[in-house]
Amino acid sequence: EADIYQTPRYLVIGTGKKITLECSQTMGHDKMYWYQQDPGMELHLIHYSYGVNSTEKGDLSSESTVSRIRTEHFPLTLESARPSHTSQYLCASSEFVAGGRDTQYFGPGTRLTVL
Amino acid sequence: AQSVTQLGSHVSVSEGALVLLRCNYSSSVPPYLFWYVQYPNQGLQLLLKYTSAATLVKGINGFEAEFKKSETSFHLTKPSAHMSDAAEYFCAVMIGSSNTGKLIFGQGTTLQVKP
Repeated sequence: EADIYQTPRYLVIGTGKKITLECSQTMGHDKMYWYQQDPGMELHLIHYSYGVNSTEKGDLSSESTVSRIRTEHFPLTLESARPSHTSQYLCASSEFVAGGRDTQYFGPGTRLTVL
Repeated sequence: AQSVTQLGSHVSVSEGALVLLRCNYSSSVPPYLFWYVQYPNQGLQLLLKYTSAATLVKGINGFEAEFKKSETSFHLTKPSAHMSDAAEYFCAVMIGSSNTGKLIFGQGTTLQVKP
């Protein structure tokens, strides 16, 4: 099972601020993902990466950006936070399995509130 | 296109009673199915997964799920509910048959356990 860490766990910030949500994993997983989850709702994939220097947009359009410079680190950045960005952000990772049938393991999430 | 439908956004059972959480999937290829649990203010924890081996899958915390192709279902059950089972439960299907496999989540079911 993966050990995935997200910081901060909770963040309250004003409109217009730049923020970076951190995600790191210690299992050497090639694949990493960011999901957005509104209260009481399902998760929606907003970004994913299959390895270093690989990033792709997910199914839900997001104004955030990501980078993957190191295998273990997959930070998410919002250049100018807005109230519409208020949500929970969950990071996940998985080990590459032939055929794409891998299992994703999730971090504890960051609950972001933009005032 | 692959999708997941969870029937019932809220399920309430008494402690010691049977737990049944329903999940139906739509997939044009053999599905790869998951159940995750989310406790308040936490990330998702993998309960169990179906990978086309045995149709009855046993997971953690006494949960199990049965894959029924004829009914396109993957319902989650537990013989006797415990207060600690109160949480949000998500069914998910993996789409894509190559290295680009991504998870699609259902809307979630909140399980309430009454004493």
